[in-house]
Amino acid sequence: AQSVTQLGSHVSVSEGALVLLRCNYSSSVPPYLFWYVQYPNQGLQLLLKYTTGATLVKGINGFEAEFKKSETSFHLTKPSAHMSDAAEYFCAVRTNSGYSTLTFGKGTMLRVSP
Amino acid sequence: GAGVSQTPSNKVTEKGKYVELRCDPISGHTALYWYRQSLGQGPEFLIYFQGTGAADDSGLPNDRFFAVRPEGSVSTLKIQRTERGDSAVYLCASSLTGGVPDTQYFGPGTRLTVL
Repeated sequence: AQSVTQLGSHVSVSEGALVLLRCNYSSSVPPYLFWYVQYPNQGLQLLLKYTTGATLVKGINGFEAEFKKSETSFHLTKPSAHMSDAAEYFCAVRTNSGYSTLTFGKGTMLRVSP
Repeated sequence: GAGVSQTPSNKVTEKGKYVELRCDPISGHTALYWYRQSLGQGPEFLIYFQGTGAADDSGLPNDRFFAVRPEGSVSTLKIQRTERGDSAVYLCASSLTGGVPDTQYFGPGTRLTVL
């Protein structure tokens, strides 16, 4: 089975501060990991994904994430938050174990204050 | 190019009624997925199509839910005898081949409210 845990349903930062959104996964086989962002009344948009190779993955809008196998983590970071980053962020995992599904975490709502 | 589109954007129905939700995937994408997102939760998998066939329907909650993709493009999710617990946002996604590393592109969703 595969699962995702996102620590913190809500995270608040000030504009210009570091953004850190935590994601831990559980998988018995090598995972493929994804971060999606969801703005109000919009569909999910892919920020970045890890498949194979380099463990530090850069995505859109200045976000990046690092796959750490020893910690079963895939935390999302951005050095300097912008007001437009306020949205809900979902971490997801998929594997070659026969599951066709992306398994999502419950999401983290990011609030950015001026 | 056009992204994934879903109609209607909102659907309000009464308990016991039948509803159909439509998804138009990105042109050329062979894989199509349906997810359900309840309030405060991440999307949960319902069904996956590869071409015209349902490759995995293990996420459908019961036999009131059914989906089709007759020509390998547009898909319709059908819910019979709706219940209040079916209220959620239904998301559709498509990907180029269905391969595990493929990016799934999501539509804006249909918000279903069952009164």
